[in-house]
Amino acid sequence: TQLLEQSPQFLSIQEGENLTVYCNSSSVFSSLQWYRQEPGEGPVLLVTVVTGGEVKKLKRLTFQFGDARKDSSLHITAAQPGDTGLYLCAGMYAGGTSYGKLTFGQGTILTVHP
Amino acid sequence: DAGVIQSPRHEVTEMGQEVTLRCKPISGHNSLFWYRQTMMRGLELLIYFNNNVPIDDSGMPEDRFSAKMPNASFSTLKIQPSEPRDSAVYFCASSLELAGRTQYFGPGTRLLVL
Repeated sequence: TQLLEQSPQFLSIQEGENLTVYCNSSSVFSSLQWYRQEPGEGPVLLVTVVTGGEVKKLKRLTFQFGDARKDSSLHITAAQPGDTGLYLCAGMYAGGTSYGKLTFGQGTILTVHP
Repeated sequence: DAGVIQSPRHEVTEMGQEVTLRCKPISGHNSLFWYRQTMMRGLELLIYFNNNVPIDDSGMPEDRFSAKMPNASFSTLKIQPSEPRDSAVYFCASSLELAGRTQYFGPGTRLLVL
């Protein structure tokens, strides 16, 4: 069973602070995705990273894929209350019986206080 | 454009009853995924289809769970008989192709089994 460890599980910060969420696995991903989920809704894709060492930016969000493609991080600069939600990483493992399957981390519940 | 449509949005039933959850994927998508989300276990993949054919049902917890996709625009997830531990939010997602980079999630069905 391939596992994705996501940390921290909970994050409560003040508006304007920076934060980083981590996603780690012992297996190599063919690609890794970050989703955001709001209460009562399904997850929505934020970004996909594919190449080891890749960095992608989405406004105040910076996503990094580890060189070995086993880990990833999401960094938010100057967090705002609108960033509050559940952040999920999801990995697609290459080949074999895992083809096409996304494995999700446990998620990070982020609360940004005004 | 219509996204993934799920019905019902909420379901409350008694233990032992049959529950049927429905999903209409995005038109033109040929892969469909059923997930279950709980606080304890996070988001788990139950089963997925490609071109209406089940590819991997290893995530289906027990024989009480079954899923069908009779055509490209409709899928059902059935639980018979239901148990209190089946209480969760069930999501359906679709993607353009099996290893497609983006899975589009529906709003989910919140199931409570009493």
